[in-house]
Amino acid sequence: GNSVTQMEGPVTLSEEAFLTINCTYTATGYPSLFWYVQYPGEGLQLLLKATKADDKGSNKGFEATYRKETTSFHLEKGSVQVSDSAVYFCALRASGGYQKVTFGTGTKLQVIP
Amino acid sequence: DTAVSQTPKYLVTQMGNDKSIKCEQNLGHDTMYWYKQDSKKFLKIMFSYNNKELIINETVPNRFSPKSPDKAHLNLHINSLELGDSAVYFCASSQSPDRGNEQFFGPGTRLTVL
Repeated sequence: GNSVTQMEGPVTLSEEAFLTINCTYTATGYPSLFWYVQYPGEGLQLLLKATKADDKGSNKGFEATYRKETTSFHLEKGSVQVSDSAVYFCALRASGGYQKVTFGTGTKLQVIP
Repeated sequence: DTAVSQTPKYLVTQMGNDKSIKCEQNLGHDTMYWYKQDSKKFLKIMFSYNNKELIINETVPNRFSPKSPDKAHLNLHINSLELGDSAVYFCASSQSPDRGNEQFFGPGTRLTVL
């Protein structure tokens, strides 16, 4: 079946540090890949997505590249802010018919001033 | 201008009771979902409806029954509540089940079973 593996948290960084959250996946065919973010007390919201190999999704300074050869979709940001503190979920949706979205376990990021 | 709304936001109840959570979306989407998020933030799909038709039904106790009266609404009824049902329940919607479409999530309903 489909699965998403992301690095365990929590990840604690100082403001302006570089962020990488690793995500690898297992899926048949050509899934779409997503990063969702969940701020405290809120629902998830889409951060970025990529729908085919070598696509780069980007938003709010975050970016991730769909790497089919390594089945990865790592999230990066060059300089984090305190306001980026949240839980980040990597997710995939396989192609073909009605497919559910498979989420990773989430990585909590805490940015300290 | 709320896109996906849920009521109530908090629900505290006793074991054995029956409760419902309501969800509405004003995005004109065809597909709606229910997710359960446990205390470790793990998110699990429960159900999905497309144009009022059930398309995803994960391994969920039959005490949980979704109902979609129209495309904009997806309610969740839970019978005989158990301690293990305590979690945050999220409703979500997307334009269609197509693989590229993002999902829009509601704010969640925190259910506590005592």
